[in-house]
Amino acid sequence: QKEVEQDPGPLSVPEGAIVSLNCTYSNSAFQYFMWYRQYSRKGPELLMYTYSSGNKEDGRFTAQVDKSSKYISLFIRDSQPSDSATYLCAMSGSTNAGKSTFGDGTTLTVKP
Amino acid sequence: EPEVTQTPSHQVTQMGQEVILRCVPISNHLYFYWYRQILGQKVEFLVSFYNNEISEKSEIFDDQFSVERPDGSNFTLKIRSTKLEDSAMYFCASGTGLGTEAFFGQGTRLTVV
Repeated sequence: QKEVEQDPGPLSVPEGAIVSLNCTYSNSAFQYFMWYRQYSRKGPELLMYTYSSGNKEDGRFTAQVDKSSKYISLFIRDSQPSDSATYLCAMSGSTNAGKSTFGDGTTLTVKP
Repeated sequence: EPEVTQTPSHQVTQMGQEVILRCVPISNHLYFYWYRQILGQKVEFLVSFYNNEISEKSEIFDDQFSVERPDGSNFTLKIRSTKLEDSAMYFCASGTGLGTEAFFGQGTRLTVV
């Protein structure tokens, strides 16, 4: 079993749709949860960072963490064509010196 | 806005040669990382560096690899005797503390021929 599971998609939605992206994980030591956006052949761009369980909202983006279920989500409201990218979840624990474990990434296309 | 910068953006090298990938982390960050991403695969952790020493490394980071912070601003990854399978995007990242968010550079695409 992979430490972090993420459905690679691809996911295609019409402009304006609400997008839901998800990851599950198996390592209960993970406490820090990140979502990155990556355009082709570019570096990951941090979108959201959450510590432990709960919700965090930033503009059109909402991150949710449910540690009891080992499940995290990223919601994108009013999706735009510019949101088309690969979305990576990443996680780390407090004792592993900053090592983040990434999911495989979900490729999202938002069609005008 | 502060950013992590990496040079070169693309490096082509012959198998068996040594390469040095360079990074300038964000200036007030204390933790530095190298990750790699083989084409079509996920981002993989290589090494973390704090207080002038390696704090953690993955099984990928074997004796072929080394890191160094030669001065107050640069952070380098050296790959000795490159192999074809070292071809990948190499990302440098930096952060302010353990478990905090890491900010990534745009990467160096290494092609070993």
